[in-house]
Amino acid sequence: GNSVTQMEGPVTLSEEAFLTINCTYTATGYPSLFWYVQYPGEGLQLLLKATKADDKGSNKGFEATYRKETTSFHLEKGSVQVSDSAVYFCALSDLVGGSQGNLIFGKGTKLSVKP
Amino acid sequence: NAGVTQTPKFRVLKTGQSMTLLCAQDMNHEYMYWYRQDPGMGLRLIHYSVGEGTTAKGEVPDGYNVSRLKKQNFLLGLESAAPSQTSVYFCASSLMLNEQFFGPGTRLTVL
Repeated sequence: GNSVTQMEGPVTLSEEAFLTINCTYTATGYPSLFWYVQYPGEGLQLLLKATKADDKGSNKGFEATYRKETTSFHLEKGSVQVSDSAVYFCALSDLVGGSQGNLIFGKGTKLSVKP
Repeated sequence: NAGVTQTPKFRVLKTGQSMTLLCAQDMNHEYMYWYRQDPGMGLRLIHYSVGEGTTAKGEVPDGYNVSRLKKQNFLLGLESAAPSQTSVYFCASSLMLNEQFFGPGTRLTVL
């Protein structure tokens, strides 16, 4: 079945450091790919998405490119801030088995940014 | 717009007790979902609904029931709570099949 694997955390960086959180997926067909962010004590918020191969999603300085050849959707940011400290989830839309496009989530990567 | 709201925010139950979690959305979304979030497990889908009066099982449906009597509400019930159901529960809704909007969560502890 479809699945998402993302790098395990926690990840600790200093402010202004470069961030990469790896995400790879297994899927049949052509799913859409997402990054969600969860700030402490809150629900998940959509950070960015890409709906087809080679699409680049971007938001708040974060970027991710849908790479079909490597089945990856790595999240990057050039200069992180303390306010980026959160848990990041990679997800794909499940389009098989009558699941109505349900999302399949990775296990999450906790990012802590130190001043 | 309030978006997606969940009631209650916190709850402590004893084993065997029952309770209902309420999710409400004011975005006129067709699809609604219930997830549970456990450490190291990410989010797992419990049940979902593709419209008023419909429900379907997700990845981990055992021990839970749901109802969608009104389009804006999606109820999650625990008939006989067990310690394994200690978790944080999130409701979400979506208009299309893709982007989901999440509520703030309900933290449930079963003793």
